[in-house]
Amino acid sequence: GQNIDQPTEMTATEGAIVQINCTYQTSGFNGLFWYQQHAGEAPTFLSYNVLDGLEEKGRFSSFLSRSKGYSYLLLKELQMKDSASYLCAVRDNPSNYGQNFVFGPGTRLSVLP
Amino acid sequence: DTEVTQTPKHLVMGMTNKKSLKCEQHMGHRAMYWYKQKAKKPPELMFVYSYEKLSINESVPSRFSPECPNSSLLNLHLHALQPEDSALYLCASSPLLRGITGELFFGEGSRLTVL
Repeated sequence: GQNIDQPTEMTATEGAIVQINCTYQTSGFNGLFWYQQHAGEAPTFLSYNVLDGLEEKGRFSSFLSRSKGYSYLLLKELQMKDSASYLCAVRDNPSNYGQNFVFGPGTRLSVLP
Repeated sequence: DTEVTQTPKHLVMGMTNKKSLKCEQHMGHRAMYWYKQKAKKPPELMFVYSYEKLSINESVPSRFSPECPNSSLLNLHLHALQPEDSALYLCASSPLLRGITGELFFGEGSRLTVL
C-alpha cells in the first residue's frame, strides 16, 4: 500500500526558518519530490532527492533518509509569498512505461508578518 | 518552451452535456498525465500516457475518457458527469527516458463545475 503523511497546517513568521516533514511507506521508491502550490494555481516543482542527504537550492533545502522513510523541506528567510501548500510526492520504481508519483496530503503554510 | 497549456481554464456543464478538456506541451515529454484535485486536497492520479499509450488508469469511471492523439496533445472527454466530479483537472507532462520519469510539469488546470 501507499501511505504518505505530512502535517496539515503550519504557521511561521516572515524571516524565520520552517521545516515541513514528510514520512512515507510505499511499495516502491525511486525518489521523493517537493512541490509548491499556491491557492488556485498549479503545483510547481521545488526539489527532489533520490539519495540520502541534503539538497540545497537557494532558500529551499530538502533532506532524505530512505532507511527511515523520512524527508523534510526546509525554507529559510521566509517571505509572505511562501504562503502556499507544500506537497511531497514519492516516485515509484522504474518500469517499461515509466514511473508514477504518489502525492502526500500537503501542508498548508501560512507566513505571518 | 517549458509550458503545459490547458484549455479551457473554466468550464460549467450540465449532467447531460458532452465536453472536452485539452492539454498541450512542446517540451518533447513522452509521459502525460491527468490529475483531479478537490479543494484543500492533493492531486489524485486519473490517467497516465507513456509514449502515447495508456499505461495507467486508476479505476476512473467511464464517463471520463482520455485520448492522446499525438506526443504533444492530451484530451479528456467528459460525458454524463455528476456534481461530485466538480474539481480542478490538472494536466502534467514529464520527461521519460529508459523507464525513468523526471519531474512533473503541471498546466494551470481546468476548473470544472457540473450543475
